[in-house]
Amino acid sequence: GESVGLHLPTLSVQEGDNSIINCAYSNSASDYFIWYKQESGKGPQFIIDIRSNMDKRQGQRVTVLLNKTVKHLSLQIAATQPGDSAVYFCAENRSGATNKLIFGTGTLLAVQP
Amino acid sequence: DTAVSQTPKYLVTQMGNDKSIKCEQNLGHDTMYWYKQDSKKFLKIMFSYNNKELIINETVPNRFSPKSPDKAHLNLHINSLELGDSAVYFCASSQPATEQYFGPGTRLTVT
Repeated sequence: GESVGLHLPTLSVQEGDNSIINCAYSNSASDYFIWYKQESGKGPQFIIDIRSNMDKRQGQRVTVLLNKTVKHLSLQIAATQPGDSAVYFCAENRSGATNKLIFGTGTLLAVQP
Repeated sequence: DTAVSQTPKYLVTQMGNDKSIKCEQNLGHDTMYWYKQDSKKFLKIMFSYNNKELIINETVPNRFSPKSPDKAHLNLHINSLELGDSAVYFCASSQPATEQYFGPGTRLTVT
């Protein structure tokens, strides 16, 4: 379960609303970005990825936007559902050959019914 | 089920002990990883093996030793456990330059 006193950035949304989770990355040489969802007591689960030659990619109810100019990544979730409640991480691949991922600090998405 | 699996899920042990965590993937991936997630949910790479060869070795105490008997397994052995080693350890696997698939995690508590 969650640790007592855990203070992650939190986004609280109403069920059915759209959610936008933001992430800033640091290395302009990073060329591959991934969003992961981590539910309580589970491992991170792949949601969607994007390579640096794209600025937008869509999946089922999710969209990732990449702005390389300001080194910013966002995850948009349409029609947020209670099952979307989790911690969301962005990750950047700084070294393509080794596939080394650097994870962001995570954002807790809390969906209110 | 095709997946990344880890054992044990929970591990409680005393300081100074030596313990191992096992990881197996049946996804046919060439690369496997170990991550540490601390109490603030910060997730950091520790090691990576590609076809049994070590390719990432972050600044980790040498009390931590990964072992890859074959490309489907990557075990993590920890000697002389310390309080600060308490964390959740995740194994992951991938093909080159693609998304990584994570195991369910092993919660290690050192008392």
